[in-house]
Amino acid sequence: DAGVTQSPTHLIKTRGQHVTLRCSPISGHKSVSWYQQVLGQGPQFIFQYYEKEERGRGNFPDRFSARQFPNYSSELNVNALLLGDSALYLCASSQRRQTNTEAFFGQGTRLTVV
Amino acid sequence: GNSVTQMEGPVTLSEEAFLTINCTYTATGYPSLFWYVQYPGEGLQLLLKATKADDKGSNKGFEATYRKETTSFHLEKGSVQVSDSAVYFCALTLTGANNLFFGTGTRLTVIP
Repeated sequence: DAGVTQSPTHLIKTRGQHVTLRCSPISGHKSVSWYQQVLGQGPQFIFQYYEKEERGRGNFPDRFSARQFPNYSSELNVNALLLGDSALYLCASSQRRQTNTEAFFGQGTRLTVV
Repeated sequence: GNSVTQMEGPVTLSEEAFLTINCTYTATGYPSLFWYVQYPGEGLQLLLKATKADDKGSNKGFEATYRKETTSFHLEKGSVQVSDSAVYFCALTLTGANNLFFGTGTRLTVIP
């Protein structure tokens, strides 16, 4: 079975541009979460979507948005990119909304803002 | 607030050495605790977890015990291998919550 897949794997953008990152969860998983991992730090929670609705949001500016589609795949959008947005963006899927069940992570999208 | 503090790395060990990576936490509620591992070029993988005090999580020779009295969840392995080289993250979530709080990670390098 395919795991969590993210695309693209690497991306270079210029300050001020917009970026869209994509995630396909494991088949049957209805929950998708997004995390930002800055180099040398642990992942920070951005969003959770469950059954196509936003169920949680971390401490990130409104430049960050996301959505979940009927097939449970998800997009993370970041507007007006800043140098500080350079990071590894991780998507995690799980069967249920609560995170005390196992979350499966994708390999991530490495975003570099120049 | 909710947070996880891990021992700073990097940690370099010889093959077959004993490993301990310290993790302590602060939580506003009653947390579940996790260790995730990130191998080079890969995403995070759940290594083990414990959901209540005195529970011991174990997997692939790694162990960690949920100690409520010391708010700790230290990771141990009796004999590390070169293939254990990775970054290890301690994490927590609260009952009914929808997100994980991660520590900063500890890079382990095992040399032959």
